[in-house]
Amino acid sequence: EPEVTQTPSHQVTQMGQEVILRCVPISNHLYFYWYRQILGQKVEFLVSFYNNEISEKSEIFDDQFSVERPDGSNFTLKIRSTKLEDSAMYFCASRGQANYGYTFGSGTRLTVV
Amino acid sequence: AQKVTQAQTEISVVEKEDVTLDCVYETRDTTYYLFWYKQPPSGELVFLIRRNSFDEQNEISGRYSWNFQKSTSSFNFTITASQVVDSAVYFCALSGLAAGNKLTFGGGTRVLVKP
Repeated sequence: EPEVTQTPSHQVTQMGQEVILRCVPISNHLYFYWYRQILGQKVEFLVSFYNNEISEKSEIFDDQFSVERPDGSNFTLKIRSTKLEDSAMYFCASRGQANYGYTFGSGTRLTVV
Repeated sequence: AQKVTQAQTEISVVEKEDVTLDCVYETRDTTYYLFWYKQPPSGELVFLIRRNSFDEQNEISGRYSWNFQKSTSSFNFTITASQVVDSAVYFCALSGLAAGNKLTFGGGTRVLVKP
């Protein structure tokens, strides 16, 4: 069964550093998402991406965040200058035309120290 | 806007007991989808079940069953004859056109199944 692949599975970074989280969505999917889950809390929507542009973003997704689909296969989330409160699990998801067919990656656990 | 509420934060049962997880949702959409996900200690999100708003038929799939009631905006989930491997956090989620088809998750219910 097709999978969404996220790398790395765990990243530790110093506060103020830039991080890039990588995702390879399912190849024929059209819609891409990033979600965040702070430890012990709910899964929160960050951003959705379609047709090479952001279609929606949440209040969390401020100027420190950006997304890109640089080569037609990867989908990346960049955090420009990490803060302690950015420590969380970040999930990538993709979806085809069907409004229900979400597939999640296994997540990247980001720890900012 | 859409919202999902899981009032139970934690449930503890003994193996072989049934566990019912409550989920109440709000949406302006007439067409929407409801989901249950399981998050084991390893952290990934495991898709369990999905239901669309037009199909209120309740079903059983193995040890899982769900009760979808549009009149009360509830989508409850039951694990029958629980096992220790069912210990996890369970999330109810909703997607609908009015919210851009993104998933909105509830706060999760932690289920602890003791041997």
